[in-house]
Formats: sequence, structure tokens, C-alpha cells
Amino acid sequence: GENVEQHPSTLSVQEGDSAVIKCTYSDSASNYFPWYKQELGKRPQLIIDIRSNVGEKKDQRIAVTLNKTAKHFSLHITETQPEDSAVYFCAASNYGQNFVFGPGTRLSVLP
Amino acid sequence: EAGVAQSPRYKIIEKRQSVAFWCNPISGHATLYWYQQILGQGPKLLIQFQNNGVVDDSQLPKDRFSAERLKGVDSTLKIQPAKLEDSAVYLCASSSRGVSAGELFFGEGSRLTVL
Repeated sequence: GENVEQHPSTLSVQEGDSAVIKCTYSDSASNYFPWYKQELGKRPQLIIDIRSNVGEKKDQRIAVTLNKTAKHFSLHITETQPEDSAVYFCAASNYGQNFVFGPGTRLSVLP
Repeated sequence: EAGVAQSPRYKIIEKRQSVAFWCNPISGHATLYWYQQILGQGPKLLIQFQNNGVVDDSQLPKDRFSAERLKGVDSTLKIQPAKLEDSAVYLCASSSRGVSAGELFFGEGSRLTVL
């Protein structure tokens, strides 16, 4: 089955700096790659996603890149703000099946 | 639009007792997932339903966990008997796009503590 790895497990950045979180997946059949943000005690919420027919997607300060050949995808957050502090999970799915999450990255944005 | 509803929010039981969690997905969402999230880890898929049929239950510990989705709407997840390692948040999620893959909408979760 699918296996998703995520690095780093923790990340601290100064407010205004950029943050990058990287994930790798094992199943070449996976074709949907979402990123979820989970604040303490809250539910995970989708922040951005990318499908396998696209190499990059951007939404304001957040972007995701996908390298299908290398089976890895990354989340980029620019101009980080304190409210970006949370745990971020990547996930991989094959047409809505085998929806597997990575172990998470705890991002701390320091003022 | 109402979100995914789960209950109870919190449950404390002793080991070997049983517990049941309930989930009501977003109206019209055909796909329903149950995830187990242990503190500090990512959500782990337990079972996926498409309408009232099971799509994937390969990681469900079937000797103690069971789940059903009668009539293709609400779902219940049961643990009997519970073990200490079952302490976790049980997240229910639903999706409208089924096998086409789309956003998962999560409920607030049910936090289980097994003593």
C-alpha cells in the first residue's frame, strides 16, 4: 500500500521568512496530493491540493509543487505569519482510495 | 452548509470496556472515512465507505473494531474490548467526489481515553 513520509517533523522560522515542507510517496498510482493544516485541538482543514497532471499550484502565500518522477511534493509558505503556526499534514490518494497521510510537521512561526 | 458531526466529543473508559462513536457526514457526501489519530501522529485510515459499502478496511483491527454505515448516511465505529493503545482521537471525514478524489471534510473528532 501507499506510504507517505514527511520532513521535517518540526520547523521553526522567523515571522516573514519562508517555510518548506517536503513529502515523498511510494505508490506511483497516487494522483491526488492535498495538504491539511491542523491547529491545536481542531480538525484538519484543507489548505491546498494538487493533482498529478499539474506540476505546481499557488494560492496567495501558499504553493505546492509536485515531481511525479521522483514521487515527491512540497509545500511552500512565504511571508510566514504567527497564525501559520500549526501542524501540517501531506497526503496522497489514488482516486479517493488509499487516502494516506504523512506523520506531520509542526511549524512554529516566531515573532 | 452543516459540517461533519461527531459524537461524543470526549469519552473515558477503562480497558476491556466498549465504546461507540457516531458520525453524520455532510449531506450528499457518498464517501465516509474513519481515521485514528494518535497524539503527535498523522491520521491513520481505519475504514472507508462508499455509500453503504466498504471500500477499504485493510487497517481496521477487526478483532476489536467494527464499523457500519446503514442506509449510506450515518456511521458508527465500535471498539470492543478497548485496549490502552486505542487512546486516540477518532476522526470522521466525508467527501463528495468518491473515487474521483476530492477534499476530505473532517469532523471535530471523538477523543478516547482508555485507562
